[in-house]
Amino acid sequence: GAVVSQHPSRVICKSGTSVKIECRSLDFQATTMFWYRQFPKQSLMLMATSNEGSKATYEQGVEKDKFLINHASLTLSTLTVTSAHPEDSSFYICSARRGGGQSSYEQYFGPGTRLTVT
Amino acid sequence: DQQVKQNSPSLSVQEGRISILNCDYTNSMFDYFLWYKKYPAEGPTFLISISSIKDKNEDGRFTVFLNKSAKHLSLHIVPSQPGDSAVYFCAASASFGSRLTFGEGTQLTVNP
Repeated sequence: GAVVSQHPSRVICKSGTSVKIECRSLDFQATTMFWYRQFPKQSLMLMATSNEGSKATYEQGVEKDKFLINHASLTLSTLTVTSAHPEDSSFYICSARRGGGQSSYEQYFGPGTRLTVT
Repeated sequence: DQQVKQNSPSLSVQEGRISILNCDYTNSMFDYFLWYKKYPAEGPTFLISISSIKDKNEDGRFTVFLNKSAKHLSLHIVPSQPGDSAVYFCAASASFGSRLTFGEGTQLTVNP
């Protein structure tokens, strides 16, 4: 299999606080993990690409100081939303890619985290 | 610049019939294409993929067709089942191991 977990699945926080979301690949080593954001009835928007042991690459328009990404091991990446505001409320999804062969095209997604900032 | 487009936001079919979901792309560098299925409040689930060296890939009830000259791919589901009701995203990759670019998604509803 290729199972990716995310924690928490749902979080409500107050404006100005920070929230950390974890993404884990449970049965494979992920050389690369991706963080997406999805607004209602819209496509997945790639926020950043994270490679184990190196700095994340952020997409244009994504504030790297606001969305801190750490990929400390081959099975764990974290996204921290700092000083969250109501407009950061969204569905955040991570994905992980296995290394090697054609399977490295395929990304396996976590179940997502619903963030609500009040 | 939407490089991957799914022009139909929704599709409704009867159970047992064929569902055809379409996807167009503009970037000729894309060489690998994937279809994902997504239920509300869940992450996408990988369904099927195709390399640009092929024009068809089949896996059970799911078949993906690729027409490179038209920059068009489609996902056929036959027979359609009510459990297939979900949002389907097509995605494309420009090079080995690079990022995926997603379409906007098509909501498929299969009526019993």
